[in-house]
Amino acid sequence: AQKVTQAQTEISVVEKEDVTLDCVYETRDTTYYLFWYKQPPSGELVFLIRRNSFDEQNEISGRYSWNFQKSTSSFNFTITASQVVDSAVYFCALSEASNYGQNFVFGPGTRLSVLP
Amino acid sequence: KAGVTQTPRYLIKTRGQQVTLSCSPISGHRSVSWYQQTPGQGLQFLFEYFSETQRNKGNFPGRFSGRQFSNSRSEMNVSTLELGDSALYLCASSPHRTDNYGYTFGSGTRLTVV
Repeated sequence: AQKVTQAQTEISVVEKEDVTLDCVYETRDTTYYLFWYKQPPSGELVFLIRRNSFDEQNEISGRYSWNFQKSTSSFNFTITASQVVDSAVYFCALSEASNYGQNFVFGPGTRLSVLP
Repeated sequence: KAGVTQTPRYLIKTRGQQVTLSCSPISGHRSVSWYQQTPGQGLQFLFEYFSETQRNKGNFPGRFSGRQFSNSRSEMNVSTLELGDSALYLCASSPHRTDNYGYTFGSGTRLTVV
């Protein structure tokens, strides 16, 4: 069965601090996809990144970076020089190729508060 | 281009009633999925439709159903509403079943059952 764990329920940082959000996943599939989504107060889930199981390259996009490690089944997300606008709930999600990649299992989310 | 549109944004229903929620995907997107979000259970997959056929279904009772029309618009229906059905219902669309890059969510319908 697939499962996603985000151990950090809430994190508070002061603006300009770096923050890392942890994500650990479980799956029996050899082909799967990992995602991070951001949910601001408006409720809409905003896509941040997708990674497939064969691509362990880390990625950097502006202030965002992702560290995918299959050996520890982790897909951690780091925000560098955080800003107040980064305040939101962040979800890590997993979908398996056996479900045609359409059945997402989400983690419980991490609420990030960036204080001015 | 227009995003995923869900209507209505807010809804209040009485226990025992039924409700229908609507989702209009991004133009050209053929896959539509529905998720329920509650404080206790988090985000849970309800079902997915592609070309008017249900392809995947989550672990929800038969009171939850859906359909997809030929223009890819989708509706979900919940019959005999219970207090526990109060949630944010999110719809997501993508161009193809395996194209997760295009998986875009709407702002959701917040359903309150009283």
